[in-house]
Amino acid sequence: DTEVTQTPKHLVMGMTNKKSLKCEQHMGHRAMYWYKQKAKKPPELMFVYSYEKLSINESVPSRFSPECPNSSLLNLHLHALQPEDSALYLCASSQDTVGDTGELFFGEGSRLTVL
Amino acid sequence: RKEVEQDPGPFNVPEGATVAFNCTYSNSASQSFFWYRQDCRKEPKLLMSVYSSGNEDGRFTAQLNRASQYISLLIRDSKLSDSATYLCVVNKRDYGQNFVFGPGTRLSVLP
Repeated sequence: DTEVTQTPKHLVMGMTNKKSLKCEQHMGHRAMYWYKQKAKKPPELMFVYSYEKLSINESVPSRFSPECPNSSLLNLHLHALQPEDSALYLCASSQDTVGDTGELFFGEGSRLTVL
Repeated sequence: RKEVEQDPGPFNVPEGATVAFNCTYSNSASQSFFWYRQDCRKEPKLLMSVYSSGNEDGRFTAQLNRASQYISLLIRDSKLSDSATYLCVVNKRDYGQNFVFGPGTRLSVLP
């Protein structure tokens, strides 16, 4: 079982809806990530939070808005999405300390469909 | 040029075969390297980290050549359960942690 928990597992939304994806980890990791994965493609990095501060934004459209309320939680707020945004959204965490192994731990993902 | 490139695959091999995957990366400042495995409609999971001295875990052997910016994964005595997509991952650590995924190589082990 993964130690990174994502909710919801499945989400269907219209283009005018506002929804949020949630991610939680209790491993004491200080880096958290959002990746987007389309079918038969590798995960693509969207955002990285390190010590609760946004450290990387890979030129993601503003209709995706990340939030890191504390070191254990990571949200992705969705508004005015397009059908091409339909994908698997993966949350991950890593230790982000000097000398750590750098291993990424993934949640099971939230499968998003935009109608 | 993509930051991380892999053999395009797919690889279809019989049970018991030995199969090798190759990966190259473009950023010479990259600091850590991994092989992840992803089953269909599942999240990626770490298979093994890759060290400069090479490392082995059972039937799996990983090698890193920093001079050539090349990573490999060897799977011996393939099992049906090895069927998955294998992702080469590089941590650039440029603006903090920054894990870049290769496109993946699909492996099917056939009975």
